[in-house]
Amino acid sequence: DGGITQSPKYLFRKEGQNVTLSCEQNLNHDAMYWYRQDPGQGLRLIYYSQIVNDFQKGDIAEGYSVSREKKESFPLTVTSAQKNPTAFYLCASSFGPKEGPQHFGDGTRLSIL
Amino acid sequence: QKEVEQDPGPLSVPEGAIVSLNCTYSNSAFQYFMWYRQYSRKGPELLMYTYSSGNKEDGRFTAQVDKSSKYISLFIRDSQPSDSATYLCASRVSGGYQKVTFGTGTKLQVIP
Repeated sequence: DGGITQSPKYLFRKEGQNVTLSCEQNLNHDAMYWYRQDPGQGLRLIYYSQIVNDFQKGDIAEGYSVSREKKESFPLTVTSAQKNPTAFYLCASSFGPKEGPQHFGDGTRLSIL
Repeated sequence: QKEVEQDPGPLSVPEGAIVSLNCTYSNSAFQYFMWYRQYSRKGPELLMYTYSSGNKEDGRFTAQVDKSSKYISLFIRDSQPSDSATYLCASRVSGGYQKVTFGTGTKLQVIP
């Protein structure tokens, strides 16, 4: 079955630690996205990538970094500079940035130890 | 003012009722409209994807867009307990890369 796989489902971060969230898709989509979801705030865009080896900052990129070395993969690193990282992180993909709707993975919940 | 506004609910209805979920938006350039269903601790699942004004039907779900009043609706017929979830509306403009703007979601509970 085609889809978007996020791992791990739950993640805990210690002070001063960087953590990486995985996102893999087998939908042959060119564009991929990372969102953060907080209660009552809706989805906020962290980073997006329209094509391999290219990515742009979204609305709340500070304290996060990404890479896009393969079409299928778009990992997100939450750095120690992100002071409020506790949230539900969602990865999405679409055929292109202006083609078709975005489809989502099942998310990673990140908490602070 | 948020670009996409949605009543957070919760909205409780008895099983079998017709559910009406609504959003308003402020950006008149929005051309694409989406509804997602999100179960607890899961990612949003695309229900409906529409372009411009009009109605679109898929099984028990009907999406309606009224661009003159900047109002989008999702109707669920014969609601089931399995429809209990949070429903997100979303919109974006056409042409080039344009980000998708999401509403905050309406929580729906269908009571058996």
